[in-house]
Parts: sequence; structure tokens; C-alpha cells
Amino acid sequence: GIQVEQSPPDLILQEGANSTLRCNFSDSVNNLQWFHQNPWGQLINLFYIPSGTKQNGRLSATTVATERYSLLYISSSQTTDSGVYFCAVEGPGDMRFGAGTRLTVKP
Amino acid sequence: GAGVSQSPRYKVAKRGQDVALRCDPISGHVSLFWYQQALGQGPEFLTYFQNEAQLDKSGLPSDRFFAERPEGSVSTLKIQRTQQEDSAVYLCASSLGIRGGDEQYFGPGTRLTVT
Repeated sequence: GIQVEQSPPDLILQEGANSTLRCNFSDSVNNLQWFHQNPWGQLINLFYIPSGTKQNGRLSATTVATERYSLLYISSSQTTDSGVYFCAVEGPGDMRFGAGTRLTVKP
Repeated sequence: GAGVSQSPRYKVAKRGQDVALRCDPISGHVSLFWYQQALGQGPEFLTYFQNEAQLDKSGLPSDRFFAERPEGSVSTLKIQRTQQEDSAVYLCASSLGIRGGDEQYFGPGTRLTVT
């Protein structure tokens, strides 16, 4: 099956800083999603982005499908951005998640 | 519109007991998925329904796990004779279209603890 690697595994930021999270995947995909899992465990949809670039407020994402990677940008980070960020990809089979990036934003 | 809901939110079972976990998908969503998330890891696929048909159960870890969606809406994941390694969060997701074509939306999960 498709392998998904996320980096970095852990990230600590000061409030107001910017960050870039990366997701590499091993094969062609039909679907790529970014999620934020909040401290209560809820997976919140951030982007559905099998290709191209999207922006939503302080967050933006870019997927370069031909090179098999996606980037999630967080600007002007806030303490509420803390949690685990997952990249998930769907090829011909089931959706595969990366191990996540654990983000801690300090006030 | 309501999102995906799951019940119960927390379940404690003694080893050997049977449990049933419920998922109410977003109304009108064709696809329904179950995932298992162990502590500190990403969710892992268990099974997939397209309407009432279970088209993929390749992720179910053993024959103690059984899922159904008899009327193409609500789904139940049943675990028989629970074991300690079954302790995890069980997540349900739904999507409007068929698998691979649409965004998946997740419920809050059921945290199962087997003692």
C-alpha cells in the first residue's frame, strides 16, 4: 500500500511564528486531505487537496502530485493551533494516514 | 446540518465482553468508513460501506470484528470477546460520493478501554 511520511514529527513554536509541515507519499493518489486533531480527539478537516494550492485564513496548502508531496503552511500561529496535524492519502485502496506532526504553540 | 455522530463516546469493557459502537453519518452520504486509532498513531482503515454494501473489510484485524449498515445510513461496529489489544479510539467517517472521490468527514470517535 501507499506509504505516507510526515515531517517534522514534533514542532514547538512561539505564538506568532510561521511553520511548514510536509507530507511525502509513495504513489499516485486520488485524494489528499489535511486534518487537525484537537486535544479532544476530533479530526477537523483543513483541506481537501489532491493537487494545486488552497488557502483558508492563516492556513494554506499545496500539493504537487507529480512529485508526490504536500505542504501545509501555518502563518501567525496561535495557541489554539496546537494539536496533531495529519496528512491522509487515498489511492486505489483505503485512505492511509501519516504518523502526524505534533504542534505545540507557546504563548 | 449535523456532522457525523458516534455513540457511546467512551466505553469500558471487561476482557471477553462484546461491545457495539454506533455511527450516524451525515444524511445522504453514500460512503461510510470505520478506522481504529491507537494511542500516538494515525488512524488505520478497518472497513468501507457504499450504501448498505460492505465493499471492503480488509482492515478488520480478526473475525471478532464485524460491521453492518443494513439500511445504508446508521452503522454499527461490533467487537466480540474483547481483548486488551482492542483498546483504541474507533472513528467513523462519511463522504458524499463513492470511495476516493470525495472528502471524508470524521465523527468524534468512541474511546474503548478493555480491562
